[in-house]
Amino acid sequence: RKEVEQDPGPFNVPEGATVAFNCTYSNSASQSFFWYRQDCRKEPKLLMSVYSSGNEDGRFTAQLNRASQYISLLIRDSKLSDSATYLCVVNIRSDYKLSFGAGTTVTVRA
Amino acid sequence: DADVTQTPRNRITKTGKRIMLECSQTKGHDRMYWYRQDPGLGLRLIYYSFDVKDINKGEISDGYSVSRQAQAKFSLSLESAIPNQTALYFCATSKEGGGAGNEQFFGPGTRLTVL
Repeated sequence: RKEVEQDPGPFNVPEGATVAFNCTYSNSASQSFFWYRQDCRKEPKLLMSVYSSGNEDGRFTAQLNRASQYISLLIRDSKLSDSATYLCVVNIRSDYKLSFGAGTTVTVRA
Repeated sequence: DADVTQTPRNRITKTGKRIMLECSQTKGHDRMYWYRQDPGLGLRLIYYSFDVKDINKGEISDGYSVSRQAQAKFSLSLESAIPNQTALYFCATSKEGGGAGNEQFFGPGTRLTVL
């Protein structure tokens, strides 16, 4: 079983729509959670960390459900520029090892 | 200027050749990492280094070696390239470990094709 699993999508949504997707992780000892964004053929960049109480950054909201071992990302009022692959990233220990999901692709159409 | 740079950006080579991928950073971070990315798979850690004298294997280190020549430089070598090493390779740096708030910064990637 993969450590981090994501629905690959693609999620095709019109501008202004809300889109949400989840990521599940296998290790209950996981401590830190992140969403990274990766544009086509570019490097991943941190979008936001995910905190236990959930957190919001503008149009983006992240939630953590430890009991069911998943995190979610919701994008409100989608923009064309939100089209990207969103990588779910989990850290088991506070040292080095980040486990990356394969990514969820979102395409926002005009 | 980019904080994390990788050279070359693209490379096509033949089976059995020795290849070196270079990574340099100006962020002043101690920690550096090499990942590979394959379609349908997440990034997988090859090697990582916490300082100049520290080298550690990641989850897929077989067939690879690294050198940390200085705080700012971390090189990845394929001693004898094989076709299943065809992938997109990323170098990354971080100030500290993987805890919340300790972001990893990635270079632009090297697309390697082994024929």
